Amino acid sequence: RKEVEQDPGPFNVPEGATVAFNCTYSNSASQSFFWYRQDCRKEPKLLMSVYSSGNEDGRFTAQLNRASQYISLLIRDSKLSDSATYLCVVNIHNDYKLSFGAGTTVTVRA
Amino acid sequence: ETGVTQTPRHLVMGMTNKKSLKCEQHLGHNAMYWYKQSAKKPLELMFVYNFKEQTENNSVPSRFSPECPNSSHLFLHLHTLQPEDSALYLCASSQNGGSTDTQYFGPGTRLTVL
Repeated sequence: RKEVEQDPGPFNVPEGATVAFNCTYSNSASQSFFWYRQDCRKEPKLLMSVYSSGNEDGRFTAQLNRASQYISLLIRDSKLSDSATYLCVVNIHNDYKLSFGAGTTVTVRA
Repeated sequence: ETGVTQTPRHLVMGMTNKKSLKCEQHLGHNAMYWYKQSAKKPLELMFVYNFKEQTENNSVPSRFSPECPNSSHLFLHLHTLQPEDSALYLCASSQNGGSTDTQYFGPGTRLTVL
């Protein structure tokens, strides 16, 4: 089983729509979770950390479901600028190493 | 943003060449990382340095040789590479290599091996 698995998409949505996707992880004891965003041919950048109780940052909401070992990202009121690949990142063994998913591609169309 | 810089941004090399990738971070961090990103694949961790000491070599072939002379600089020396080594090589840094640290990435070096 892969340490971090994501639906690759692509998710093609119109502006203003809501889009959500999940990511599963392999170790139930993992404690640190992140969503990174990577634009085409650019480096990954931290979008938000994911906290146990769930957290929001503007139009972005992240949730953690420990029982089912997945995290989710929801984007409300999608903008064209939200088009990117979203990387699910988990510190699987609670050490210095991050495990990356292959990414979920989101394309927002006008 | 210039927190983590990488040079060169693009590199084309033959299989018999020797080249080096350079990474510099201006964030005062103590941990630095090399990752490889191939098309449609997750980032693969290659090496980790924490306070200049190598703490991870993720079964990377010896044709890749890292060097960390100080906490701000990280090099990846390349020799006799194979075409399958063509990828985006990303450098990252974090405060202390802790489990909750955010990693900040450089823009990457896009490497093509002919």
